[in-house]
Amino acid sequence: DQQVKQNSPSLSVQEGRISILNCDYTNSMFDYFLWYKKYPAEGPTFLISISSIKDKNEDGRFTVFLNKSAKHLSLHIVPSQPGDSAVYFCAARTGGSQGNLIFGKGTKLSVKP
Amino acid sequence: GAGVSQSPSNKVTEKGKDVELRCDPISGHTALYWYRQRLGQGLEFLIYFQGNSAPDKSGLPSDRFSAERTGESVSTLTIQRTQQEDSAVYLCASSPLTAGINQPQHFGDGTRLSIL
Repeated sequence: DQQVKQNSPSLSVQEGRISILNCDYTNSMFDYFLWYKKYPAEGPTFLISISSIKDKNEDGRFTVFLNKSAKHLSLHIVPSQPGDSAVYFCAARTGGSQGNLIFGKGTKLSVKP
Repeated sequence: GAGVSQSPSNKVTEKGKDVELRCDPISGHTALYWYRQRLGQGLEFLIYFQGNSAPDKSGLPSDRFSAERTGESVSTLTIQRTQQEDSAVYLCASSPLTAGINQPQHFGDGTRLSIL
């Protein structure tokens, strides 16, 4: 039973447009959410996170939105650049611990020049 | 180096052999995690070390898997009597412990393990 779901295995976007990556979760005890970017043959790189006490966190071109009632979060990248092409993983952690992350299966983003 | 370092980067071995994977966390990071990623899947938690506390081994898939960490330094993940389903990328991550503040985990580039 997947607790973190990324239902789109792939997404293709034109350079300069917005990329929206979606993630759904089932565990209401999650209170810290992260997005990682992964290039082939490299480890995941931390991108941006959000605590459950917020509904939005922005860092440059990257914004994460959290809708707790819908148990849904999304990552917006604007404007998208060819270098953003990678696999994006959504991850979540239960509250009050430094414990392990639960990851989705990832969405492969392709940004076309 | 500044990041999490893992060795070897690639390992090919025959079914039934034992393998040992190494992780050097970022200096000062008290928490260390092992995950694995099978082809086309997300990252799967294996084990978590936090300082001198007993490790959280809840993600280890079988008793063929074990891991050790001495203090807040290097960790080794050992897989005994390897099976073909153990083929995966094994990823190590570390994070600092800051009371009351969520900290992201920082990953190494992984060890790609192939069991023939």
